[in-house]
Amino acid sequence: GIQVEQSPPDLILQEGANSTLRCNFSDSVNNLQWFHQNPWGQLINLFYIPSGTKQNGRLSATTVATERYSLLYISSSQTTDSGVYFCAVSDSNYQLIWGAGTKLIIKP
Amino acid sequence: DGGITQSPKYLFRKEGQNVTLSCEQNLNHDAMYWYRQDPGQGLRLIYYSQIVNDFQKGDIAEGYSVSREKKESFPLTVTSAQKNPTAFYLCASTPDGFNYGYTFGSGTRLTVV
Repeated sequence: GIQVEQSPPDLILQEGANSTLRCNFSDSVNNLQWFHQNPWGQLINLFYIPSGTKQNGRLSATTVATERYSLLYISSSQTTDSGVYFCAVSDSNYQLIWGAGTKLIIKP
Repeated sequence: DGGITQSPKYLFRKEGQNVTLSCEQNLNHDAMYWYRQDPGQGLRLIYYSQIVNDFQKGDIAEGYSVSREKKESFPLTVTSAQKNPTAFYLCASTPDGFNYGYTFGSGTRLTVV
């Protein structure tokens, strides 16, 4: 099956810093999504981005499907950005396959 | 406000006991999902349902059971056959079955005592 690898596994930054999170996937996918899980466990969808670039405030994402990777950019980090960021891809059966996540800690 | 309600937030299970986790949505979504999350890992699919009275096994269905008698409700039973049930359980829904437009509940943390 499709493998999803996220890097780095952990990231600690000072407030105000910028960060780039990476998601590599091993095969062609139907779509790719980024999620954020806050420290209390609540998951929200950030981007649905099978290809191209999207921006939402301080967050943006780019997927290069032909090279099988996606990047999530966080600019001017805030403490509320802390949590785990997951990348998930859909295979040919539209089943969602999740990466192990990048744990981000933003220090004040 | 529309959303997904999971209850309880915390649940303790004794060895050999069955427990049921509740998941209710008022989003009028067709598809519902149960995921298990272990520390430091991604989500793993237990069961999903794309329509009332129908559900499919996910990657780790052994030791779990579900029902979908109403569109709004998708309860998960953790049976005594599940040997390592301690985990964080997340319920989710999507408008249809194509894994887009996810809404998640706030989760249930299950601990075996």
